[in-house]
Amino acid sequence: GAGVSQSPSNKVTEKGKDVELRCDPISGHTALYWYRQRLGQGLEFLIYFQGNSAPDKSGLPSDRFSAERTGESVSTLTIQRTQQEDSAVYLCASSPRGTSGETQYFGPGTRLLVL
Amino acid sequence: GQNIDQPTEMTATEGAIVQINCTYQTSGFNGLFWYQQHAGEAPTFLSYNVLDGLEEKGRFSSFLSRSKGYSYLLLKELQMKDSASYLCAVRDRAGTYKYIFGTGTRLKVLA
Repeated sequence: GAGVSQSPSNKVTEKGKDVELRCDPISGHTALYWYRQRLGQGLEFLIYFQGNSAPDKSGLPSDRFSAERTGESVSTLTIQRTQQEDSAVYLCASSPRGTSGETQYFGPGTRLLVL
Repeated sequence: GQNIDQPTEMTATEGAIVQINCTYQTSGFNGLFWYQQHAGEAPTFLSYNVLDGLEEKGRFSSFLSRSKGYSYLLLKELQMKDSASYLCAVRDRAGTYKYIFGTGTRLKVLA
């Protein structure tokens, strides 16, 4: 079956513009994660969705960042009034139930460059 | 606070054995994961430890000591294709299933 897909694969935007990043998880996976990875750095947790539960937004760096998920499918990460420091790869991952021991399956990422 | 430490870079020779260490201090613990990430690609799962001891999977093994907050990834019979970053991640059980990732160890395998 298909893996996690993300779009766009690359995005160049001007400082101050809004951007929307999309993630399609593996079908049937109830858990979905967003991470940010700056150049040469590890993954920084942003937000976690699990089924119909309230998402864990504790990793969102500012109120310019928001994310939504439609049921157990597509998720969008929105960054408003982008800043140069937002330039990074944004990775989405999903897992079947979000339970202990499960691995995450990562998408290819969206490379965001803010000029 | 939450902290995961790994060496930034390591170099080893093809055919050799290399050990990549990871120490962690987190508010909760629900397992430790190792991921491999080739440059420009997404991370892929390598191993998972939740109990103390060694887990072996072919050329890769991972060890965990919860009392010491310590893990290592052991790679045997190194191949050129093992040149990648290796990410240590702890699942934080404090209230939710959140993963905390280290900054990764860049491994260079030389011929």
